[in-house]
Amino acid sequence: QVQPVESGAGVVHPGRSLRLSCAASGFTFSGYGMYWVRQAPGKGLEWVALISYDGSDTNYGDSVKGRFTISRDNSKDMLDLQMNSLRPEDTALYYCAKDRGGSRYGNDGVWHYSYYGMVAWGQGTMVTVSS
Amino acid sequence: QSALTQPASVSGSPGQSITISCTGTYNDVGHYDYVSWFQQGPGEAPKALIYEVTKRPAGASDRFSGSKSGNTASLTISGLQAEDEGDYYCSSYTRSNTWVFGGGTKLTVL
Repeated sequence: QVQPVESGAGVVHPGRSLRLSCAASGFTFSGYGMYWVRQAPGKGLEWVALISYDGSDTNYGDSVKGRFTISRDNSKDMLDLQMNSLRPEDTALYYCAKDRGGSRYGNDGVWHYSYYGMVAWGQGTMVTVSS
Repeated sequence: QSALTQPASVSGSPGQSITISCTGTYNDVGHYDYVSWFQQGPGEAPKALIYEVTKRPAGASDRFSGSKSGNTASLTISGLQAEDEGDYYCSSYTRSNTWVFGGGTKLTVL
C-alpha cells in the first residue's frame, strides 16, 4: 500500500526547534515530488512546503518561509521538515504527501520541475507549540 | 497565497448528485490543469479523490468526478451515500511554484 509514514511528534516551547520525518512505504521514493501539509486543530488544510523528486527544487508557504526547511535523502527513502523558531500558530497536525509523479524540463542547464498533485497522504504527526 | 474559495457547506439526499465549486484566479486554477480534490472524514487523514482536474487515483470511486471552467473547478458526487459525509478540500498549483488550498466544504447527507 502506498502510504507515507510520519514521525517526530512533540510539544515544544515557542522559539525552539523540532524535526519531522516521513518514511516512504510502497513506492519508489526517489521518483516522486513530496510535500508537507498541516492542519491546525479545527481548521482547514494549509500547504507548507514542496520538494522535487531529486531534492533540487524546494519552496515554502509564506507563513513558514525562512523558518522551515524541507529536505530528502533518497538513499534512505526519507523526507524531513526542520522547523525552527516555532510559534504557537505552528501548532497543527503535519501530513506528508506524495506527488503523482516527478519530472523536469528545460535546456541550457536551467531546469523547471513539474508538480501534479498530492495523491497519497500519511496519517499525520502532531506538533504542539506552547509555553 | 490567498486561499481558493469554496462554499462552507452543501447538503443532499441519498441518491442525489451534488457539486462543490472551487474558485481561484488566473494565477492558479485558471492557469494550470493541476487541481486536486480531497475528502476528509472526522479524525481521518485527507484522501485524494481527483488530481489534474479530472483524473482519479487508484481506489477512488467513479462516483466522484472533476471539471474546470476558467478560474473555477468543480467536484461532482453522484449517487450520494451516507458514507460521503465529511469535509472536502480543493487545491491548485500556482504560478509562484506553490500550492494553495480551499477553505473546505462540509458535506451533509440528509
